[in-house]
Amino acid sequence: QKEVEQNSGPLSVPEGAIASLNCTYSDRGSQSFFWYRQYSGKSPELIMSIYSNGDKEDGRFTAQLNKASQYVSLLIRDSQPSDSATYLCAVNRSYDYKLSFGAGTTVTVRA
Amino acid sequence: EAGVAQSPRYKIIEKRQSVAFWCNPISGHATLYWYQQILGQGPKLLIQFQNNGVVDDSQLPKDRFSAERLKGVDSTLKIQPAKLEDSAVYLCASSYRGPSYEQYFGPGTRLTVT
Repeated sequence: QKEVEQNSGPLSVPEGAIASLNCTYSDRGSQSFFWYRQYSGKSPELIMSIYSNGDKEDGRFTAQLNKASQYVSLLIRDSQPSDSATYLCAVNRSYDYKLSFGAGTTVTVRA
Repeated sequence: EAGVAQSPRYKIIEKRQSVAFWCNPISGHATLYWYQQILGQGPKLLIQFQNNGVVDDSQLPKDRFSAERLKGVDSTLKIQPAKLEDSAVYLCASSYRGPSYEQYFGPGTRLTVT
């Protein structure tokens, strides 16, 4: 089992729709969770961090965390072409505190 | 607030040559990380510094890779000699404290080994 698993992409959504990205993790003791956006040829950019169960909203982005189910998701509302990128889920491991990344989900927003 | 700075942005070398990358973290960030990202994968941690001390270098191929963070600010990562499989993007990141905190990445150095 991979430490961090994300939806296999690519995910194509029409402009204005909601893009839903999922991430599961194996370390039950993990306490810190992050979503990064990475445009092609660029470095990862932190867009959301979440530490407690529930929802956290920031603009058009909502992160949802369920530690019991070891699941974290990212919703992008009113998707725009500028949201087309690869989204990386990162989870802080409890046993060595390293950040473990998923392989990413590529989102394409079509106009 | 200035972000993480890295140089060079691109580097092409032949196998068996050496190369060095430089990173300047966000001011006040005690923890500095070097990651390797291969196309289609998430970043993989190579080494983590807390101030000027190494916290974790378990994934660093020490026979060819070395890194230092003198004075607890700037850091350099060196590869000597380079292999074809070292072709990747080398990312530097920093955080205020340890990995439980948010990490911010620099623009990266794209290394091509021919």
